[in-house]
Amino acid sequence: AQSVAQPEDQVNVAEGNPLTVKCTYSVSGNPYLFWYVQYPNRGLQFLLKYITGDNLVKGSYGFEAEFNKSQTSFHLKKPSALVSDSALYFCAALESGYSTLTFGKGTMLLVSP
Amino acid sequence: NAGVTQTPKFQVLKTGQSMTLQCAQDMNHEYMSWYRQDPGMGLRLIHYSVGAGITDQGEVPNGYNVSRSTTEDFPLRLLSAAPSQTSVYFCASSYTGDSYNEQFFGPGTRLTVL
Repeated sequence: AQSVAQPEDQVNVAEGNPLTVKCTYSVSGNPYLFWYVQYPNRGLQFLLKYITGDNLVKGSYGFEAEFNKSQTSFHLKKPSALVSDSALYFCAALESGYSTLTFGKGTMLLVSP
Repeated sequence: NAGVTQTPKFQVLKTGQSMTLQCAQDMNHEYMSWYRQDPGMGLRLIHYSVGAGITDQGEVPNGYNVSRSTTEDFPLRLLSAAPSQTSVYFCASSYTGDSYNEQFFGPGTRLTVL
């Protein structure tokens, strides 16, 4: 069975500093990995995905994520945080051959001015 | 395109009542799904559909029914509401049943069962 762990309930960072939101996964075979963002009272929005190829994936709003197969991780990163990045971030995984995503519990990112 | 739309936005039910949460998409997506979001638990899949006439259960299907008579619509029915079904419900769609395509989410329905 596939599973996703986001070890931090909340990440605090000052505006302008780099940010990292952690995600680890457990799937059999090659994983498909996703990051979504949820702003208050809104549905989730797609940020980026890893299917195959380069381990560094670039996505929307300046975010990127690094796939590390040996550590089964897919951490979300941004070089310089903005206050407007404050939101709830979800990592999700799909096992090849399956048709359903498994989401992590989410990490609240708070960027202070 | 309106994308994925959900109605109602808010609903309060009494225990034992039934209701249908509506979901529609205008992107001709094959894959549609329903999730519930509860604090500290992330999103959990209730039911999903890989095309018209085809539905399947997700992680937490008990107490919910779905049908998919058209490509556009995927309603979620609560048969006899219980307080444990108090949650925020999201409908999502993606282009194909191979859900390595990103999913598009509706704005959600906030349901309270008293």
